[in-house]
Amino acid sequence: QKEVEQDPGPLSVPEGAIVSLNCTYSNSAFQYFMWYRQYSRKGPELLMYTYSSGNKEDGRFTAQVDKSSKYISLFIRDSQPSDSATYLCAMSARGGGYQKVTFGTGTKLQVIP
Amino acid sequence: DTGVSQDPRHKITKRGQNVTFRCDPISEHNRLYWYRQTLGQGPEFLTYFQNEAQLEKSRLLSDRFSAERPKGSFSTLEIQRTEQGDSAMYLCASSPQGNGYTFGSGTRLTVV
Repeated sequence: QKEVEQDPGPLSVPEGAIVSLNCTYSNSAFQYFMWYRQYSRKGPELLMYTYSSGNKEDGRFTAQVDKSSKYISLFIRDSQPSDSATYLCAMSARGGGYQKVTFGTGTKLQVIP
Repeated sequence: DTGVSQDPRHKITKRGQNVTFRCDPISEHNRLYWYRQTLGQGPEFLTYFQNEAQLEKSRLLSDRFSAERPKGSFSTLEIQRTEQGDSAMYLCASSPQGNGYTFGSGTRLTVV
């Protein structure tokens, strides 16, 4: 069993829809949770960084972490065609300095105009 | 400084040849990471440098792989005697003493 599980999709939604992306994990030591966006043939780009349980909002993006269920989510409001990309969840046991990050496989999202 | 720079962007090599990739991190970042990503998968950790010291290596980094970061600036990743299974995107990332990585655009390696 992988430490981080993520549905690969693809997920196809109409423009303006609310998108929900999710990951589950098995390692209870994970405390730092991230979401990256990756366009085709590009490196991942950090979208959200959260510590422990709770919610964090940044513009149209909201990240939620439920450590008791080992479940994290990313919500995208008013989705745009430019949001079409692969979304990777990622997590680590340590923050600040050294971070060995474990990634999910990524969910491919397509927003249809 | 415009971010993490990787060179080359693409490399096609014959099986058995040696290849070397270069990564230039963001200048004020003292931490540098190499990851490998295959199609349909998330990035997998290879190795980590703090300044010039290589502090951790993954089991994925076989004896054919070597990474260096002389003087704590740019880093190189060399693969000797390449195999078809080495075909992947090799990603470099850097971070300050803070949170989250900044990735480069990667080097896509194809071994034929």
